[in-house]
Amino acid sequence: DGGITQSPKYLFRKEGQNVTLSCEQNLNHDAMYWYRQDPGQGLRLIYYSQIVNDFQKGDIAEGYSVSREKKESFPLTVTSAQKNPTAFYLCASSRTSAQETQYFGPGTRLLVL
Amino acid sequence: QKEVEQNSGPLSVPEGAIASLNCTYSDRGSQSFFWYRQYSGKSPELIMSIYSNGDKEDGRFTAQLNKASQYVSLLIRDSQPSDSATYLCAASGYSTLTFGKGTMLLVSP
Repeated sequence: DGGITQSPKYLFRKEGQNVTLSCEQNLNHDAMYWYRQDPGQGLRLIYYSQIVNDFQKGDIAEGYSVSREKKESFPLTVTSAQKNPTAFYLCASSRTSAQETQYFGPGTRLLVL
Repeated sequence: QKEVEQNSGPLSVPEGAIASLNCTYSDRGSQSFFWYRQYSGKSPELIMSIYSNGDKEDGRFTAQLNKASQYVSLLIRDSQPSDSATYLCAASGYSTLTFGKGTMLLVSP
């Protein structure tokens, strides 16, 4: 079954802690994306990657970091510098670029303790 | 700043009616447009994509694109209570998509 998986479904972060959200796809897609969704805010782009070992900042990259060491994987780290991390985080992928359909994973909901 | 504008709603329609959802975009260079449906607490799922001016039909859904007016719409015929969700419009840039904030649709039985 082809698709995008995200884990965990829920994640709790303590003050000053870095946490990493996992995103894996077996669609053989080149491009991967991370979005943050807050209530009533729509989707905002955090980081994106169009090829292995390369990634670019999106509109709200401050306080986040990513890596793209494998085509299938694009983990997102929420660092302690992100002061308001509570949100629904969505990972997506597309075959080559944003001109093509993006498919979304099920999402990770991050809550601050 | 590239923008995609949608009426937040809610748009309320009775079961069996036509629901009309609208979207405008600011980037004249956008080439690809997408409508996603998002149920509460779930991730977005693709409903329609459209790339050329005119209409594109898929079952009960019709997407309409007018690049001159920078306008995209989604019509849902024979609306069902299961269509109640937030509908996100997205327009492509060179490397990224810009999403609107979504329109909430409520279909009453």
